[in-house]
Amino acid sequence: GAGVSQSPSNKVTEKGKDVELRCDPISGHTALYWYRQSLGQGLEFLIYFQGNSAPDKSGLPSDRFSAERTGGSVSTLTIQRTQQEDSAVYLCASSLAGQVETQYFGPGTRLLVL
Amino acid sequence: AQKITQTQPGMFVQEKEAVTLDCTYDTSDPSYGLFWYKQPSSGEMIFLIYQGSYDQQNATEGRYSLNFQKARKSANLVISASQLGDSAMYFCAMRGVGGADGLTFGKGTHLIIQP
Repeated sequence: GAGVSQSPSNKVTEKGKDVELRCDPISGHTALYWYRQSLGQGLEFLIYFQGNSAPDKSGLPSDRFSAERTGGSVSTLTIQRTQQEDSAVYLCASSLAGQVETQYFGPGTRLLVL
Repeated sequence: AQKITQTQPGMFVQEKEAVTLDCTYDTSDPSYGLFWYKQPSSGEMIFLIYQGSYDQQNATEGRYSLNFQKARKSANLVISASQLGDSAMYFCAMRGVGGADGLTFGKGTHLIIQP
């Protein structure tokens, strides 16, 4: 079946603009995760959804970051007033349920803030 | 808090040799899962193998096996008969039941297979 898909694959934006990143998980997967991968910080966990709920938003780097998930499926990660330090690869993953089940990753969105 | 340590930033291995990638972890969760992912230059994270903390046997998946030593808190990945296509970044990761909701990753090992 289809894997996790993300769009856009690449995004170049100017500092101060808002961006929306989209993730479409594997069908039937109730858990969805967002991570950020940057040269300086490695792989950071951002937020986790079980269904449409995000029990813990403390991993989001700042209040400029928000995420939502609707219909238990597609999720969007929004970054407002982008800064150059937001430049990174944003990875989405999904798993059948939460806990220790295997997470399958999408190809990522490469964000460059000029 | 959970922590993953990968002490080998880079490794060069001759094709067809076996290679061991080191991973040690620290957690206070009594139950947890350990994962290895491969990230080729294309950037996608590819799941390789999973080990549950209560699994009695070491996990194996084709040419991949996980050398799990619970008392030492180590979860080394062994790749047998390496191939040129194995050249990639390899990340060890963990998640505890009842702990942080996301995976905690190590900094990775850049493996280069030489012909």
